[in-house]
Amino acid sequence: ETGVTQSPTHLIKTRGQQVTLRCSSQSGHNTVSWYQQALGQGPQFIFQYYREEENGRGNFPPRFSGLQFPNYSSELNVNALELDDSALYLCASSLAGLAGETQYFGPGTRLLVL
Amino acid sequence: SQQGEEDPQALSIQEGENATMNCSYKTSINNLQWYRQNSGRGLVHLILIRSNEREKHSGRLRVTLDTSKKSSSLLITASRAADTASYFCATDAGGTSGSRLTFGEGTQLTVNP
Repeated sequence: ETGVTQSPTHLIKTRGQQVTLRCSSQSGHNTVSWYQQALGQGPQFIFQYYREEENGRGNFPPRFSGLQFPNYSSELNVNALELDDSALYLCASSLAGLAGETQYFGPGTRLLVL
Repeated sequence: SQQGEEDPQALSIQEGENATMNCSYKTSINNLQWYRQNSGRGLVHLILIRSNEREKHSGRLRVTLDTSKKSSSLLITASRAADTASYFCATDAGGTSGSRLTFGEGTQLTVNP
């Protein structure tokens, strides 16, 4: 157990809807990163939040947005859902977002878009 | 896009045998990490090797890094059925935007009892 929790564990939405996924970071960590993992592939970096500010973004459209709260928990929001958004969404927390730090992953939220 | 490629994509061995997985990547890195994932669940960090290191050990795990060939290998010795999982390498380029991991597509390891 890493101490990183995610909710919900599973979610079914229809195309065009919006979804919010939540992540609680490990105690003492101020950085949260989000990844998307399509079936049979490796995770892809969406973005990272450090002390409530976005600190780097991968190749994802603006309809993927996020927030980080003062307690360092985080949300991932996806608008106008598309079928290809079906995936496992993973969040990871780390101590200070620095290169070389271990990232601790939560169990993921599996999203299915119909 | 994926930074790295794992080889092989799938590996099936008997308990007690050693398992070797390889990873190649394309750009300069600050460090390379190996993760394990059971049945599409969360990733578990196994080991991190920095760009100025060539070999690292952790229990039954041995990782090598060859930055001139942009490749790494993960060796699991004396495998157990519980080692059955997907294994991913992830590179971290470092830089001012903090740590962002770029994963390969993984090796599915099956250890038969």
